[in-house]
Amino acid sequence: GAVVSQHPSWVICKSGTSVKIECRSLDFQATTMFWYRQFPKQSLMLMATSNEGSKATYEQGVEKDKFLINHASLTLSTLTVTSAHPEDSSFYICSARVTPGTGDTGELFFGEGSRLTVL
Amino acid sequence: DAKTTQPTSMDCAEGRAANLPCNHSTISGNEYVYWYRQIHSQGPQYIIHGLKNNETNEMASLIITEDRKSSTLILPHATLRDTAVYYCIVTHAFGNEKLTFGTGTRLTIIP
Repeated sequence: GAVVSQHPSWVICKSGTSVKIECRSLDFQATTMFWYRQFPKQSLMLMATSNEGSKATYEQGVEKDKFLINHASLTLSTLTVTSAHPEDSSFYICSARVTPGTGDTGELFFGEGSRLTVL
Repeated sequence: DAKTTQPTSMDCAEGRAANLPCNHSTISGNEYVYWYRQIHSQGPQYIIHGLKNNETNEMASLIITEDRKSSTLILPHATLRDTAVYYCIVTHAFGNEKLTFGTGTRLTIIP
């Protein structure tokens, strides 16, 4: 199946700093990518939909100035957590769907996740 | 997307078939049933999906009732590596449809 790769897989940073997480579709193009966050023992919560060449669409309650999303190419989306604080510590996961019409089955492919710990 | 209801947790003996139920009584005619699983500290993994016919692949089988209001994911010979949280999601396939995850079923395979 298609591969989605995230980097870094884990990161520790000091409070007040910004952290960038990359999400790449390795063998397919993705006009849309999705960003989720997951707290311990909870389900995945959709944060935003990343659209190539345009602004991301954020879910209700997610601060767009806090979580900056850039989708500059068909294979790369980045999530930047700005001025991170301990409450931003979480597991961040990206996903992408193969562009429709290419014979895929519509499933989302997920990255390995990036664990952020803010001290 | 239609809402789904799954049991919070289930246990299954290693080597036996694991049957995971999902209710989706408000599913619409053009919505698919997708199953994903998430092993601890990893991203979710696609398992299988279907519209109205039963489906089988190398990982699992999916049984959808005739009225499409419920489905069952079957792992025919569960192994310890199948211990994970299993999510049943109803959504339209393709396009830019986002997936909304419920709480899922935490399946524990017992040695």
